Amino acid sequence: EVQILESGGGLVQPGGSLRLSCAASGFTFDNYAMSWVRQAPGKGLEWVSAISGSAHTTYYGDSVTGRCTISRDNSKNTLYLQMTSLRADDTAVYYCVKDQSSWPTDFFDSWGQGTLVTVSS
Amino acid sequence: IQMTQSPSSLSASVGDRVTITCRASEGIGRYVNWYQQKPGKAPTVLISEASTLQSGAPSRFSGSGSGTDFTLTISSLQTEDFATYYCQHSYSTPPWTFGQGTKVEIK
Repeated sequence: EVQILESGGGLVQPGGSLRLSCAASGFTFDNYAMSWVRQAPGKGLEWVSAISGSAHTTYYGDSVTGRCTISRDNSKNTLYLQMTSLRADDTAVYYCVKDQSSWPTDFFDSWGQGTLVTVSS
Repeated sequence: IQMTQSPSSLSASVGDRVTITCRASEGIGRYVNWYQQKPGKAPTVLISEASTLQSGAPSRFSGSGSGTDFTLTISSLQTEDFATYYCQHSYSTPPWTFGQGTKVEIK
């Protein structure tokens, strides 16, 4: 059974940094691309970033380019999102999602339960 | 590529046939996926590549379309189908944008 568990969310001040983690199990981790998708309170879904199964290729959405870094440790079956220069509009639930293929993107076939990031003073 | 869903919300009764449309700002072949999200829960995939029903999705859900215009149809709405539905493109290069969502409510 595929299991995806995010952690690392919380309250952070504007301009601060945060690192989200995502522990995955139940599948061969390095065979699949992974992404982060976020959802602001009461709003729709926004794709944030993706990384290939090998970790050689990364992609970012316009709203986080230059402020976020996606990475993965395939030996630990863990995905990360390092976020810096956080702004109020980064406030959202951040979902870790598994892609159907090794190369981003096909479709997202498994989602974690999400971790809430709140940017506020 | 922008994805525009319509309507943004709808009210329907159990047993109704429901259709949600998604229009892409440029041609994207059949690279559209549909997700269902219930309140307080993560989304789940229903349809991939415009019309492929994913494992676990009920057969009353179907998808169609290609190019710029896509449709998600629920043939006979059930109580458990009241949720928000999102289209998303997976064409070529990112960003792989989602539509703004369609909330299906009980009439």
